[in-house]
Amino acid sequence: KAGVTQTPRYLIKTRGQQVTLSCSPISGHRSVSWYQQTPGQGLQFLFEYFSETQRNKGNFPGRFSGRQFSNSRSEMNVSTLELGDSALYLCASSLVGLAGTSVNYGYTFGSGTRLTVV
Amino acid sequence: DAKTTQPPSMDCAEGRAANLPCNHSTISGNEYVYWYRQIHSQGPQYIIHGLKNNETNEMASLIITEDRKSSTLILPHATLRDTAVYYCIVRERNAGNMLTFGGGTRLMVKP
Repeated sequence: KAGVTQTPRYLIKTRGQQVTLSCSPISGHRSVSWYQQTPGQGLQFLFEYFSETQRNKGNFPGRFSGRQFSNSRSEMNVSTLELGDSALYLCASSLVGLAGTSVNYGYTFGSGTRLTVV
Repeated sequence: DAKTTQPPSMDCAEGRAANLPCNHSTISGNEYVYWYRQIHSQGPQYIIHGLKNNETNEMASLIITEDRKSSTLILPHATLRDTAVYYCIVRERNAGNMLTFGGGTRLMVKP
């Protein structure tokens, strides 16, 4: 089966611009999470969406936002880009049961979008 | 989620077993131990998880001490492709889909 697909793979933006990243989860997976990875801070949780609703949010400023569509595809947006936003942005999907609990405890990550802000 | 402590780096000879330790002394009774690895420029990959019993799958074995304060991930016959950063994560089974990654252990498998 197809894995988690993230587009684009690489992106270069200028300070002050905004950017939208896309994530298509594994078919049937309803939960999508986003992570930021930088050399200094490591892997950090951004937010999680389930059934088009944000369920969890990490400690990031409001410039970072996301949404999920009815087909479970998700997008994240970063507005007013700063140099420090340069990072690998990773998306993970997982299968969630009827009660909203994870029946598959292994989350599948995509290969990420490498964003460079200049 | 409980905090984990891992050595920053380890070396292993190709074909030998790689034993990666993780300390989680503040783990609570309903928290699971998960292991992920990240090969360079790829997203993290799930390896294995466990609660208190030892677990084995096609990738690795997970040994959890009786007091659950530490665990060891074992790659029985390491190959060059196992070179990666290995993350030990402790979290509740139904804590939502937020994983808290620490610094991990950079495993270098050498010929």
